[in-house]
Amino acid sequence: GENVEQHPSTLSVQEGDSAVIKCTYSDSASNYFPWYKQELGKRPQLIIDIRSNVGEKKDQRIAVTLNKTAKHFSLHITETQPEDSAVYFCAEREQGGSEKLVFGKGTKLTVNP
Amino acid sequence: NAGVTQTPKFRVLKTGQSMTLLCAQDMNHEYMYWYRQDPGMGLRLIHYSVGEGTTAKGEVPDGYNVSRLKKQNFLLGLESAAPSQTSVYFCASIKASSYNEQFFGPGTRLTVL
Repeated sequence: GENVEQHPSTLSVQEGDSAVIKCTYSDSASNYFPWYKQELGKRPQLIIDIRSNVGEKKDQRIAVTLNKTAKHFSLHITETQPEDSAVYFCAEREQGGSEKLVFGKGTKLTVNP
Repeated sequence: NAGVTQTPKFRVLKTGQSMTLLCAQDMNHEYMYWYRQDPGMGLRLIHYSVGEGTTAKGEVPDGYNVSRLKKQNFLLGLESAAPSQTSVYFCASIKASSYNEQFFGPGTRLTVL
């Protein structure tokens, strides 16, 4: 089945620095890649997504890039703030019509004031 | 709209006991999913449903059963709970078309002693 590798598992940055989280996927037919943010004790929430016909997408301080040839995609957070501290999950959508997502194991981001 | 809700929020079981977790959504979504979340393991799909009366196995289905008798509800059952089923369980739903956000419920924290 599909597999998503996510790195690093933990990331600590100083406030104002940038943070980058990388994911690789196995299914070359995958065409949708969302990113979810989960704050402590809360539910995962979608923060940004990208489709396979786009190489980059930005939303304020957050951007996602996709390299279909290499089968990897990355989340970039600029000017990090303490409220960015959370666990971030990447995912790929399986083909087949069920809209199933395969998640990476998560990255715990800590932004130090 | 309440979105996706889960009942109960917390539960402690003894080994061998049974219970049912209820997920309800008021967004008229066709697809629903049950995940479990364990430290360092990300979100793993247990079972899912693409419509009323249909269910299918996910990545980790053993020890669980599900039913989708009504479009808005998706039930997850544990017939004989085991300590290995101690986890946080999340339900999610999505509208059946491409590139839609998967909405998560608030989660159920289950401890099996």
